[in-house]
Amino acid sequence: DIVMTQSPDSLAVSLGERATINCKSSQSLLYDSKNKNYLAWYQQKAGQPPKLLIHWASTRESGVPDRFSGSGSGADFTLDISSLQAEDVAVYYCQQYYSTPPTFGQGTKVEIK
Amino acid sequence: QLQLQASGPGLVKPSETLSLTCTVSGGSIYSSGSHYWGWIRQPPGKGLEWIGNIYYSGSTYYNPSLKSRVTISVDTSKKQFSLNLTSVTAADTAVYYCARHPYAFWTPDSWGQGTLVTVSS
Repeated sequence: DIVMTQSPDSLAVSLGERATINCKSSQSLLYDSKNKNYLAWYQQKAGQPPKLLIHWASTRESGVPDRFSGSGSGADFTLDISSLQAEDVAVYYCQQYYSTPPTFGQGTKVEIK
Repeated sequence: QLQLQASGPGLVKPSETLSLTCTVSGGSIYSSGSHYWGWIRQPPGKGLEWIGNIYYSGSTYYNPSLKSRVTISVDTSKKQFSLNLTSVTAADTAVYYCARHPYAFWTPDSWGQGTLVTVSS
């Protein structure tokens, strides 16, 4: 199985400041023939199911605010929240769908400082 | 708007079988054949684990770590798909989510609210 490792495990950011979450995979998630990275990001608020934010490492889902952005390629990826809002308090997960079984990172908890 | 709702017993005894059903509303399980329907679980305070999924035709995928104990089935006429997990232990205590993901790439874009199943005598 591909192992996904996120850092940090938690971070506290002031409102309006940037939050950055890193995700490393144990092997490359870049499918060369399609030039796509099989990496997604989810947001999970307390008591709710995860919500898909980004797929193909950098493509935002419809309706996701543009303060959320994904970047990276190969085995190193980043989720940025450019200006943290109160409603962004959540746990964020990365997920690889390059190979089966799909696997998730352990999660990064984002809080307000 | 597509909605998924998981249902089933909230308490299961060790060594018994966990059985859950997910009911789909606001859409069809086989409308375009463009999606899989699956189960993902989350132990309390922990991360997410992919259990398996099923296509409307009945074709399935199971996580090898659970494959010997898992069966997923579908009833398109009832707009339901189900999960059976046998020989449960306390390690199977989790919130179980049913979800839908595109056929071509496995990123669940619609999730049920989840149902907590506790394994305890």
